[in-house]
Amino acid sequence: GNSVTQMEGPVTLSEEAFLTINCTYTATGYPSLFWYVQYPGEGLQLLLKATKADDKGSNKGFEATYRKETTSFHLEKGSVQVSDSAVYFCALSDTSASKIIFGSGTRLSIRP
Amino acid sequence: EAGVTQFPSHSVIEKGQTVTLRCDPISGHDNLYWYRRVMGKEIKFLLHFVKESKQDESGMPNNRFLAERTGGTYSTLKVQPAELEDSGVYFCASSLSGGNYGYTFGSGTRLTVV
Repeated sequence: GNSVTQMEGPVTLSEEAFLTINCTYTATGYPSLFWYVQYPGEGLQLLLKATKADDKGSNKGFEATYRKETTSFHLEKGSVQVSDSAVYFCALSDTSASKIIFGSGTRLSIRP
Repeated sequence: EAGVTQFPSHSVIEKGQTVTLRCDPISGHDNLYWYRRVMGKEIKFLLHFVKESKQDESGMPNNRFLAERTGGTYSTLKVQPAELEDSGVYFCASSLSGGNYGYTFGSGTRLTVV
């Protein structure tokens, strides 16, 4: 079945460091891929998405590229800020698009 | 536009009691989803409504969980009787056209069963 595997946290970085959170997926067909973020005390927010191979999603300085050959959708940011501290979830839509399948989440903490 | 609203934000109940969670989707969104995250694990799908009909309820864990969406507007998720393993965060989401472009999520209800 479809599944998402993302790097376990927690991840702790210093402000202005480079961030990578790895995500790989298993899916039949051509799913859409997402990164969601949950800031402390808030709900899930869609951070970025890519709907086909080689698409790059980007938002708030974060980027992720849909790599079909490696079945990956790694999240990157060149210079993180304290305000980026949150839990990040990689996800895919199944082929029928009736539901989204999530990874286990990666907690990111940025220290000043 | 108002977002997806969930009530209550927190609930603490004793094992064996009943709890009802409510979700108000974005107006006009026919698709409504329930998910939950237990013990810091992955967020798991529970079920999907299209208007008032259950499109997919394959993720409902057992018959102690009952979801309804009367009139295709708000939805309720009842847990009766609650067990300790039901503790977690329950998220509701809505969308216009399925999951291909992502959903809008509510802030979640944190349920603690003691």
